[in-house]
Amino acid sequence: AQTVTQSQPEMSVQEAETVTLSCTYDTSENNYYLFWYKQPPSRQMILVIRQEAYKQQNATENRFSVNFQKAAKSFSLKISDSQLGDTAMYFCAFMKTGAQKLVFGQGTRLTINP
Amino acid sequence: DSGVTQTPKHLITATGQRVTLRCSPRSGDLSVYWYQQSLDQGLQFLIQYYNGEERAKGNILERFSAQQFPDLHSELNLSSLELGDSALYFCASSGDTAYEQYFGPGTRLTVT
Repeated sequence: AQTVTQSQPEMSVQEAETVTLSCTYDTSENNYYLFWYKQPPSRQMILVIRQEAYKQQNATENRFSVNFQKAAKSFSLKISDSQLGDTAMYFCAFMKTGAQKLVFGQGTRLTINP
Repeated sequence: DSGVTQTPKHLITATGQRVTLRCSPRSGDLSVYWYQQSLDQGLQFLIQYYNGEERAKGNILERFSAQQFPDLHSELNLSSLELGDSALYFCASSGDTAYEQYFGPGTRLTVT
């Protein structure tokens, strides 16, 4: 079974700083997808970014980028120029190709301070 | 707004009761997923339906069941409720690119 580990339960940075959230996963699969979801205080789950395992290029969405290290089974999220609205729980998630279900980590609570 | 709707937003009920949670997927999405988010178990996949048929099953209790109707909306039925069933229940949907799931706002269930 696949597992996803987020080793940082909480993080806190100042507005405009850059922050990196860590995620590691365990799988014997070669084809899969990785995701970061954001859950603000409203509790809505929002897809932030995705990465296909077969792609070597790291995904980028505006201020959000990932560092995907397939051999190390590591998938970190970098948030540049952090904003107050980035305050949220962030979940790393894994999906085996064809499996349909998302396997989530325990989450990292990120606070952006003014 | 993801385009996925869930009703009700909040539900308070007593132990032993039965409730039904409803989900409408994004327009055009054929797949519906149900997830449970609780303090002790985190976010867990329960079940997936694709165009009316069960496609995948996760850690779903026998007291729980789901179905997807011809108009593609889905219902999650929870029966013989226990205190430990108190959680946030999410519905998500996806289209043909099944690897992207979009979540609804969730239903907060409180069992007293």
